[in-house]
Amino acid sequence: SAVISQKPSRDICQRGTSLTIQCQVDSQVTMMFWYRQQPGQSLTLIATANQGSEATYESGFVIDKFPISRPNLTFSTLTVSNMSPEDSSIYLCSVEDPTGRVDEQFFGPGTRLTVL
Amino acid sequence: GQQLNQSPQSMFIQEGEDVSMNCTSSSIFNTWLWYKQDPGEGPVLLIALYKAGELTSNGRLTAQFGITRKDSFLNISASIPSDVGIYFCAGRIPDSSYKLIFGSGTRLLVRP
Repeated sequence: SAVISQKPSRDICQRGTSLTIQCQVDSQVTMMFWYRQQPGQSLTLIATANQGSEATYESGFVIDKFPISRPNLTFSTLTVSNMSPEDSSIYLCSVEDPTGRVDEQFFGPGTRLTVL
Repeated sequence: GQQLNQSPQSMFIQEGEDVSMNCTSSSIFNTWLWYKQDPGEGPVLLIALYKAGELTSNGRLTAQFGITRKDSFLNISASIPSDVGIYFCAGRIPDSSYKLIFGSGTRLLVRP
């Protein structure tokens, strides 16, 4: 399985500001995903980030609020823009199995965001 | 949209007991994955299932892909304190772009 790191691991931010979360993988992967996990809840897919193309967003998530970059096959960023307390969540990146079995996704440790 | 119904929501058991949890859906899935999440961590993949009827074990864990492709269960035998955590099922629908749908989770507590 891939080794995935995220920065920052946690942050406390003020309302109206933006935070960029980084996701780094130790091997090249075709597909990376960004999820949100609200307190005590399950995981909800925000978007799929493919290298060389624009991210694909799920219903309820828009690029202006959650811009994503995917500059290469080992790195992606998710920005949470113009934050409000409702954005307080854990943000997780995941990647496809590097051996090519796209059905197996591996997750990073998450970024715990608190918005005041 | 597609939904996964996961049950039970929580379990509080005695160490050494066996545990069973399941996920059901009205939609067909072509892959089922089971994850465990510890506090402050990301989900860790436990078992992946790819074929209807498939039964797969990983140590004390056993999971099955339902014949109808609409359900899956996870069993944990002889539970130990480190089994504590939240267990999530996830399914991949046949017409998705590698998108996973997650269940609501089962919170497991083990009493030593």
